[in-house]
Order: sequence, then structure tokens, then C-alpha cells
Amino acid sequence: DAGVIQSPRHEVTEMGQEVTLRCKPISGHDYLFWYRQTMMRGLELLIYFNNNVPIDDSGMPEDRFSAKMPNASFSTLKIQPSEPRDSAVYFCASNLVQGANEKLFFGSGTQLSVL
Amino acid sequence: GENVEQHPSTLSVQEGDSAVIKCTYSDSASNYFPWYKQELGKRPQLIIDIRSNVGEKKDQRIAVTLNKTAKHFSLHITETQPEDSAVYFCAASFSGNTPLVFGKGTRLSVIA
Repeated sequence: DAGVIQSPRHEVTEMGQEVTLRCKPISGHDYLFWYRQTMMRGLELLIYFNNNVPIDDSGMPEDRFSAKMPNASFSTLKIQPSEPRDSAVYFCASNLVQGANEKLFFGSGTQLSVL
Repeated sequence: GENVEQHPSTLSVQEGDSAVIKCTYSDSASNYFPWYKQELGKRPQLIIDIRSNVGEKKDQRIAVTLNKTAKHFSLHITETQPEDSAVYFCAASFSGNTPLVFGKGTRLSVIA
């Protein structure tokens, strides 16, 4: 398996533009998480899904952020409109909870810069 | 909800010395405590984890200890090497069905 795949790796956009980040979890994993990483706040959980259903989106900072998981192999995180303070690395992660196996697999992340 | 505090935020050690990173958590129901290593520009990767029914776990030069009474756990790296230089994150969760809450990370620099 190629692991968790995120695209794009880097995104530079101007304030006010819509940004869409994409994630393909590892096949068979039933949990998908979106995290945001900044120097000040570390790794923050934004939202997570179980079997494509959003379970907790309390970490989504504002209504400008939305996430979907239309099927087991694809998820998107959208920011509309984007603002400079959204600049961060956004990680998608997935896992399959079976017995004592709880290892979280991260994607390579999307470095977002909003100018 | 769970809150995880991690110290120190930066740590420099001489090659061959030991490094210790400490974390505290707030939710006494948490029972799973992994540690992730993130090299510069890379994704976080699991290096070791411990569950609440165990007080200590070791894997070669890396060990983790857990004190459930005090609600803190620590990562110990012995005989540090330059390739140990990275950001280390601790995390806690109630179970595999609840998401991990991460500490803010410790930037470890091993000086050759």
C-alpha cells in the first residue's frame, strides 16, 4: 500500500480564495482524521470520520472550514474564503482499530500559505 | 476533554547522552499513550506506545514510562545519535475509537 496520500504537497494562494485539500486513506482503514500543525498550537485535530461519517467536527475553527468524505477512499478539507492565519501544514491520517492495533498513519501533509 | 502538556519545548544534548521528554495528561480515563517522531519536512511516525496496564516499555534505545497516579508519562532516549534529531510528540486517548490529543512537541537536537 502507498500509505495515506495527500494532495497538493504545497499550496500558495491569496486571501479570499477557496482552497481544497485532498486525502486518500489507506485501503481498509475505517477512521480518517484531519489535523492542522502550527508552531504555536502544535497538532490540532480539526475533524474525524468513522466509516465515512463525520463524528466530531468541534475542532474546525470556523464556518469557513468544511470537510467531506463521500466514500471510503477520499476526503476533502475546504477553506472558503481563506485567510493568512490559515497558513499551516494540514495532515490527513487514518487507522484501523483492531484489538490492540491503534497506530495512526499520517500523510505527507499539505503546506498551505495564504498571502 | 483531554489536555496534554509536553516539556521541554526544545532540548539539546551531546551525542551519546540521554534525552528525556515529559508529558502530563488531564483525563484519568485515558489509557493509550503513543509517541511520534517527526523529522524535518516529514510526516509524524509512531516510534513507541504504552497502555495503562503497563508501567514501562522499552525498544532498543527508546523507553517510555507511565505513572497513572500522577498522570504523566515520559520518553527516554539513551545513547543519542544525530539521527535522533527531530520533533517528538506525545499523545493520549481513551481508546482507539477516540482521536489522539497531542502535546505541542519537543524539538530535540543531538549535537555531534
